Amino acid sequence: EIVMTQSPATLSVSPGERATLSCRASQDVDSNLAWYQQKPGQAPRLLIYGASTRATGIPARFSGSGSGTEFTLTISSLQSEDFALYYCQQYNHWPPVFTFGPGTKVDF
Amino acid sequence: EVQLVESGGGLVKPGGSLRLSCSASGFTFSYFGMNWVRQAPGKGLEWVSSISSSGSYIRYADSVKGRFTISRDLANNSLSLQMKSLRAEDTGVYYCARAAVAAAGLVGWFDPWGQGTLVTVSS
Repeated sequence: EIVMTQSPATLSVSPGERATLSCRASQDVDSNLAWYQQKPGQAPRLLIYGASTRATGIPARFSGSGSGTEFTLTISSLQSEDFALYYCQQYNHWPPVFTFGPGTKVDF
Repeated sequence: EVQLVESGGGLVKPGGSLRLSCSASGFTFSYFGMNWVRQAPGKGLEWVSSISSSGSYIRYADSVKGRFTISRDLANNSLSLQMKSLRAEDTGVYYCARAAVAAAGLVGWFDPWGQGTLVTVSS
């Protein structure tokens, strides 16, 4: 079973600052990693897939990098609407088991 | 506009059953795999089950295997999750999510998601 971990659990930043979120897989998942954003009371929204490809409509300030077991989501200049929970998810394992990380909360 | 609308949640006693539905619109339902993901109160996301575009390939998380059954009705553009032998730990919001791209197999990244339906398992 692939276990996903995320750090930090909470990231305190100010608007306009850069935020760097980490995600680690317990086994090599190649580039089969997605990032989602979730705001209170809302459904998750896909941000990044394939470790680095932005989903349709996602602003360029969101970028993803990494492969294998270490991944990073960077928000270059935080906007007020970016304060939310962020989850990574692997989808590499065969047979398919799609595992989410525990999440990183980005707040003030 | 792609829309996913879940229904069927509610309060059920431990050991009971519940059937969730997800009505899909705005896309060719038969082209996309579909998924259920749940979220316990105040907790993270947990993948529950996936079904391929044709319905021929199905996967479950170990935590629900043997108790939950996923299915799809291509004629009515709907996805279902039959849940039996429910436990307190099954409590949470259940989201229906579409595979992000059309494919015959299972696609592991999900977009979009419905707004969810709340399942509460309690005596």
